[in-house]
Amino acid sequence: KAGVTQTPRYLIKTRGQQVTLSCSPISGHRSVSWYQQTPGQGLQFLFEYFSETQRNKGNFPGRFSGRQFSNSRSEMNVSTLELGDSALYLCASSLFAGGAYGYTFGSGTRLTVV
Amino acid sequence: GEDVEQSLFLSVREGDSSVINCTYTDSSSTYLYWYKQEPGAGLQLLTYIFSNMDMKQDQRLTVLLNKKDKHLSLRIADTQTGDSAIYFCAIRGPGGGADGLTFGKGTHLIIQP
Repeated sequence: KAGVTQTPRYLIKTRGQQVTLSCSPISGHRSVSWYQQTPGQGLQFLFEYFSETQRNKGNFPGRFSGRQFSNSRSEMNVSTLELGDSALYLCASSLFAGGAYGYTFGSGTRLTVV
Repeated sequence: GEDVEQSLFLSVREGDSSVINCTYTDSSSTYLYWYKQEPGAGLQLLTYIFSNMDMKQDQRLTVLLNKKDKHLSLRIADTQTGDSAIYFCAIRGPGGGADGLTFGKGTHLIIQP
C-alpha cells in the first residue's frame, strides 16, 4: 500500500511569506501528526489531527497552523516566515490517535527560508 | 516535560553487534520506540515496546527496557553496512499521546569495514 506522501519535497521561500505543506496519510489512517526537524532542536512535535480535530499543539507560535480534511489529508501552514523556520517538516500517520503502535512517517518537506 | 538522551555517535565493526542506548525522565511513559533515519529520508519505525514489558526481539533487533533506571536500549545483531543511519529513541507519554512523541537527538551509527 502507498506510504505517507508529502508535497512538495523542497521549498524555498522568502522571509515574511507564507507557506502551505501537504500530507496524504496511509489509506485508512485517521491520525496525522506534524513534526519539525532541525539540527539544533532535533525533532519537535507541532500538532496532531484526528478525525479533523486538533488534539494538541506543541510549543510553537500561532504562525504555525494546520487542518485536516474529511479524507484525512492534512495541511500545515506557516505565516510570516522567519529564517529560523528553515527545517525538515515531517508528517506522520497512524490508525489510532496518539500513534499507540507507532507512526509511519513521510519523507518530509525541506523548507528553506532566505 | 519529558527529556530523552542519547549518545551522538556509535562506531562498530561490520558483523559485530551494535548497542544504542537511551535514557528518559518520565516514568509514566507508555510506549517507547526506535526509529531509523537514512540520509534524505523520513523516519522508519523499527520497533516499539510497551512500558509493561522488559524485552522484545524482532529478527536482528532486541529491545531492552529497564523501567527502574529509565533506560532503553536497541541491540542490532550482525551489523551490516546498510544499518548505517541515525537511530532515534522516542517516548510516548501518558494522556493518550496527545502531546506527541518526545525524541532523543539521535545516535549516528557508523559501520567500519
